[in-house]
Amino acid sequence: NAGVTQTPKFRILKIGQSMTLQCAQDMNHNYMYWYRQDPGMGLKLIYYSVGAGITDKGEVPNGYNVSRSTTEDFPLRLELAAPSQTSVYFCASSSRTKMTHSNQPQHFGDGTRLSIL
Amino acid sequence: GQNIDQPTEMTATEGAIVQINCTYQTSGFNGLFWYQQHAGEAPTFLSYNVLDGLEEKGRFSSFLSRSKGYSYLLLKELQMKDSASYLCAEDNYGQNFVFGPGTRLSVLP
Repeated sequence: NAGVTQTPKFRILKIGQSMTLQCAQDMNHNYMYWYRQDPGMGLKLIYYSVGAGITDKGEVPNGYNVSRSTTEDFPLRLELAAPSQTSVYFCASSSRTKMTHSNQPQHFGDGTRLSIL
Repeated sequence: GQNIDQPTEMTATEGAIVQINCTYQTSGFNGLFWYQQHAGEAPTFLSYNVLDGLEEKGRFSSFLSRSKGYSYLLLKELQMKDSASYLCAEDNYGQNFVFGPGTRLSVLP
């Protein structure tokens, strides 16, 4: 199994450009997440999804959009890139059941390093 | 609200023991995870606590006290390769994982 695969690994964008960060998992996990991590900081949740067709905002959703048309894929879209969006983006997935104790950790992709100039 | 606190940085010597603390304030608690993240890499899972007490995994142990909203990660017999950031993350019934800011550990020879 490949686990969680993110593409691209690196990207430089100009202000105002748009792009999609791809994320795919092959573990049949129902939950998927997008985080951003600024230098020396922790992870901030952008969007998450509890299953195909369902997405919800996290802590820092402004400037981003997501979709979840299949269980496997969870792309993150930047419509109008801004310098404040320069960061490392991590996609993660996990297997969870609601309202029960779950010891299933999140599995992370290798990250996409994005610079907006 | 959801507020997770950890020390920003810690330094320890090779072979020593270090304890990294984490406090959380939230309702709907459903578990506490610890992750290790080396510089430039993705976080990787270390341990999970949902009940009070100590979970031991080799050189790493994690403790939870739900009444105090407190957890710690204990690293024994420190090695140079343990130099990394350690992230505390809360799992809650609101479906989110909430990460703390991370503790950057430097292991010195």
